Amino acid sequence: GAVVSQHPSRVICKSGTSVKIECRSLDFQATTMFWYRQFPKQSLMLMATSNEGSKATYEQGVEKDKFLINHASLTLSTLTVTSAHPEDSSFYICSAPGTYEQFFGPGTRLTVL
Amino acid sequence: LAKTTQPISMDSYEGQEVNITCSHNNIATNDYITWYQQFPSQGPRFIIQGYKTKVTNEVASLFIPADRKSSTLSLPRVSLSDTAVYYCLVGQSGTYKYIFGTGTRLKVLA
Repeated sequence: GAVVSQHPSRVICKSGTSVKIECRSLDFQATTMFWYRQFPKQSLMLMATSNEGSKATYEQGVEKDKFLINHASLTLSTLTVTSAHPEDSSFYICSAPGTYEQFFGPGTRLTVL
Repeated sequence: LAKTTQPISMDSYEGQEVNITCSHNNIATNDYITWYQQFPSQGPRFIIQGYKTKVTNEVASLFIPADRKSSTLSLPRVSLSDTAVYYCLVGQSGTYKYIFGTGTRLKVLA
């Protein structure tokens, strides 16, 4: 099946710094990608829809200025957590749609100290 | 987007068949039903998808009644490695905007 990768797999940063997470579709093109956040023992929460060549669409309650999304090519979307704080520590997962289902990346564990 | 309801958790023993039911009363005509499996610190993995009646693949079966307001994922002869969270999702093939419910935390015991 289709493969979606994420980089890095885990990152630790200091409070106040920015962190960029990459999501790539390795063997297919994706004009749309999705970003989710998952806290321990909780379900995935959709944060935003990344659209190639246009602005991302954010879900209600998600700060677009804090979670910057760039979908510069048909195989790459990036999520930048700006001025990260400990409460941003979470598991971030991206996905890209196939014909009928979504293909999820392996996730990125962000820890903000 | 249809909301789904699943049992929060289930326990089973190795070798047993496990059935996880999902309720999706507001499913739309164009919605498909898709089940995913998630292990800790990993992204969800596709298990099976269906629109109506029964679908079977090498790992699971999916039963969907005629009214499509619910579906049942059946895992035959589970093993310890099937311990995971299972999510039922509904969505249109052209939209892909999934809203995750609570999922079902399956624990397989020896």
